[in-house]
Amino acid sequence: SQTIHQWPATLVQPVGSPLSLECTVEGTSNPNLYWYRQAAGRGLQLLFYSVGIGQISSEVPQNLSASRPQDRQFILSSKKLLLSDSGFYLCAWRQGFVEFFGPGTRLTVL
Amino acid sequence: AQKITQTQPGMFVQEKEAVTLDCTYDTSDPSYGLFWYKQPSSGEMIFLIYQGSYDQQNATEGRYSLNFQKARKSANLVISASQLGDSAMYFCAMRGDGSARQLTFGSGTQLTVLP
Repeated sequence: SQTIHQWPATLVQPVGSPLSLECTVEGTSNPNLYWYRQAAGRGLQLLFYSVGIGQISSEVPQNLSASRPQDRQFILSSKKLLLSDSGFYLCAWRQGFVEFFGPGTRLTVL
Repeated sequence: AQKITQTQPGMFVQEKEAVTLDCTYDTSDPSYGLFWYKQPSSGEMIFLIYQGSYDQQNATEGRYSLNFQKARKSANLVISASQLGDSAMYFCAMRGDGSARQLTFGSGTQLTVLP
């Protein structure tokens, strides 16, 4: 069966520090992968999606970037975090019509 | 452009009763899919149910059913026999044509099941 992992689960970082969040999927090959962000009490906003290794599409201009160095690995990065980057970050993969989500990373920028 | 509207920020239901969570959508895509997700306080997004725009019958998954009314552009979620564990945030979402098109989410409805 397919599973999706995210780490870390929680992260507290100072403003201006770098960021790296990792997402890996098991049990499938060449999945579509997605990064979403959820601000407190809000719905989900798509940040990036990828249909294959090295293929990244950005949906929202920001100081974040994404990379897909391996088929089942999706990384969200930033060189300098802003206070507004705080939120809940969810990685998802798509099987058929449905997107399945990872457990998420709760990021607090101080 | 696609838009999902959930007009109920919060809902309360008595345990063992049924509850309907409202969702309306807008899209210009001729073919699309509609989804409901549950997000408990732990934060994970749990897929509940899917309805394709060309499906003739309403989707059902256990205690969940999707009341799809295409002409009204509504896709309400019905939860039968509510349980305390159903207390969570519920999101309606949709995706239009295209293999990599992303989900568009509504703002969510916080459901509280009362004992």
